[in-house]
Amino acid sequence: GENVEQHPSTLSVQEGDSAVIKCTYSDSASNYFPWYKQELGKRPQLIIDIRSNVGEKKDQRIAVTLNKTAKHFSLHITETQPEDSAVYFCAAFRDDKIIFGKGTRLHILP
Amino acid sequence: NAGVMQNPRHLVRRRGQEARLRCSPMKGHSHVYWYRQLPEEGLKFMVYLQKENIIDESGMPKERFSAEFPKEGPSILRIQQVVRGDSAAYFCASLGGQGAYEQYFGPGTRLTVT
Repeated sequence: GENVEQHPSTLSVQEGDSAVIKCTYSDSASNYFPWYKQELGKRPQLIIDIRSNVGEKKDQRIAVTLNKTAKHFSLHITETQPEDSAVYFCAAFRDDKIIFGKGTRLHILP
Repeated sequence: NAGVMQNPRHLVRRRGQEARLRCSPMKGHSHVYWYRQLPEEGLKFMVYLQKENIIDESGMPKERFSAEFPKEGPSILRIQQVVRGDSAAYFCASLGGQGAYEQYFGPGTRLTVT
């Protein structure tokens, strides 16, 4: 079955700097890769996603890149702000089943 | 995603009691996923259901746990004879249907077993 690895588990960046979170997946048939943000005590919220026929997608300060050959995808947050502090989960989706990475706790330092 | 409803939001049960968690998907969504999240951990897939059908229950423990999604009414995750290790947040997410990809999560039920 699918296995999703996510790194790093914790990331601290200075406010205004960029943050990058990386994930790898094992099943080459996975075809959809969402990213979720979860604030403390709240539900995961979909922030951006990418399908396997696309290499990059951007939405304001957030971008996701996908390398199908290497089976890895990354989340990039530019100009980080305090409200970006949260846990971020990547996921890989195939055949109606979605497997999540273990999450990255992002701290934005003042 | 505000349309996915879960209740109760918090549930306290003593060991050995039963817990019933309910999830109403977004309007027009006919597919529901249940996940368990332990403190400081990720989301673990439990079960995927369509109306009146269990599609994939490979993530659900074989004993004490069951799930249903009847033709009318919410999806229910039922945990019998709860133990302390069942304490977790349980999230459901709904999906528009086969061919749809985006999952939207409910607010979760936080189960505490005392």
